[in-house]
Amino acid sequence: KQEVTQIPAALSVPEGENLVLNCSFTDSAIYNLQWFRQDPGKGLTSLLLIQSSQREQTSGRLNASLDKSSGRSTLYIAASQPGDSATYLCALLMTTDSWGKLQFGAGTQVVVTP
Amino acid sequence: DADVTQTPRNRITKTGKRIMLECSQTKGHDRMYWYRQDPGLGLRLIYYSFDVKDINKGEISDGYSVSRQAQAKFSLSLESAIPNQTALYFCATSGSENTGELFFGEGSRLTVL
Repeated sequence: KQEVTQIPAALSVPEGENLVLNCSFTDSAIYNLQWFRQDPGKGLTSLLLIQSSQREQTSGRLNASLDKSSGRSTLYIAASQPGDSATYLCALLMTTDSWGKLQFGAGTQVVVTP
Repeated sequence: DADVTQTPRNRITKTGKRIMLECSQTKGHDRMYWYRQDPGLGLRLIYYSFDVKDINKGEISDGYSVSRQAQAKFSLSLESAIPNQTALYFCATSGSENTGELFFGEGSRLTVL
C-alpha cells in the first residue's frame, strides 16, 4: 500500500527565506504527483502537477521536482512572503488506480513571519 | 465565481437526519469526485463518477450515496447522519485530457451532533 509522508508537519520561516517542502512515497509506480495549497477553512488550490515522465515543473516562484527512484518530491518556494502561509499537500495518482483516486500526504503547515 | 461550487458551505445537523451536499461545476469536466478531510487522516475518496451513468465507490463509501444529475452536478447524501461523519467534504473535478489534474471546490463543513 502506498504511503505518502510529508515532513516536517509544520514549518515557520522569516519572510524572504526560501521554503523547502518534502514529500516522500514508498511505491514508485505513480502516474503523476500534484502539489496543493490549502488555506484555513478553504478548498485545495492546485499549484503544480508533475507527470511521472517529468523531473520538475516551475510556476513563478514555485518549483517542484520529482525523483521516482528515491521516492521523493520537493516543492521549493523562493523568497517566501507572508501570503505563502498555508498548508501544503502533496498527492499521488498511482498507475493502477482510477482517475481521481489520489493518495494524499498529511500536509506541511507553513507560517511565514513578516 | 468559482469553477467548482459547493453548497452548503457549513451545516450543523443532528444524528439521524438526512443531509445532501451539492456540487456544481462550470469547467465542462466529465469526471467528478467527493472527498472527505479529517484531521490526522488526510483526504479520502468517498465516491466518483466519470459520466452521468457511471458511479463508483471510493475508499470510504459506507453511509453515503451519490447522484449525478447532470454532467455539471454531483450530489452527496448522508441518509442517516452520525457524529463520525463530522468532517470537511470536498467536491473535485478532472478533465478528459488524462493529465489526472484535480480541481477542488471550497469545501462543505458538516457537523453532526
